[in-house]
Amino acid sequence: NAGVMQNPRHLVRRRGQEARLRCSPMKGHSHVYWYRQLPEEGLKFMVYLQKENIIDESGMPKERFSAEFPKEGPSILRIQQVVRGDSAAYFCASSPYIDSLKQFFGPGTRLTVL
Amino acid sequence: AQKITQTQPGMFVQEKEAVTLDCTYDTSDPSYGLFWYKQPSSGEMIFLIYQGSYDQQNATEGRYSLNFQKARKSANLVISASQLGDSAMYFCAMREVTGTASKLTFGTGTRLQVTL
Repeated sequence: NAGVMQNPRHLVRRRGQEARLRCSPMKGHSHVYWYRQLPEEGLKFMVYLQKENIIDESGMPKERFSAEFPKEGPSILRIQQVVRGDSAAYFCASSPYIDSLKQFFGPGTRLTVL
Repeated sequence: AQKITQTQPGMFVQEKEAVTLDCTYDTSDPSYGLFWYKQPSSGEMIFLIYQGSYDQQNATEGRYSLNFQKARKSANLVISASQLGDSAMYFCAMREVTGTASKLTFGTGTRLQVTL
């Protein structure tokens, strides 16, 4: 019973590079959520996806950020042309259905932009 | 829009004592859920306890209990018999379900330090 898996756990990028963060939900979970945690702050919702569909991306920055959850494989959060302000912890969570009481969180990916 | 407020940036408690972490919320939805998560220094988010807006009784999970006062819109976390391993950040969160979407709104957190 593996939990939500995220990789890499730590990612260092230089300004202008691309960052790709991966999330494998728990087995049987088809709902994935991405959250961002800036230093010394709470988590902020970014995007909610189901397999092959973006359901709610109201928390995603309008530019440079994109997310996908393909039919096969992990969910990917992609940040193009990273800037220092993108440095944060990015958490993925999954649930088996929309009304599930719990969202199970992964360990997070800590992105550092130099 | 939903809002979660945690007014205590930091708290200290002696080992074996009880501590209350405050959380107030604001929502116009009649149906909502409230959560508490623990984030130790290692960074992962650990689910602690859940309270539904229609639940008649306060939720309890082992040493954790949630003091839910609906009229005051508060959902305080009570940790009994504190242990050194309870030292961590604690986040209160609210679940919003709108149509086909579901997301959590988090407070800014309270850093708890348990002392000998």
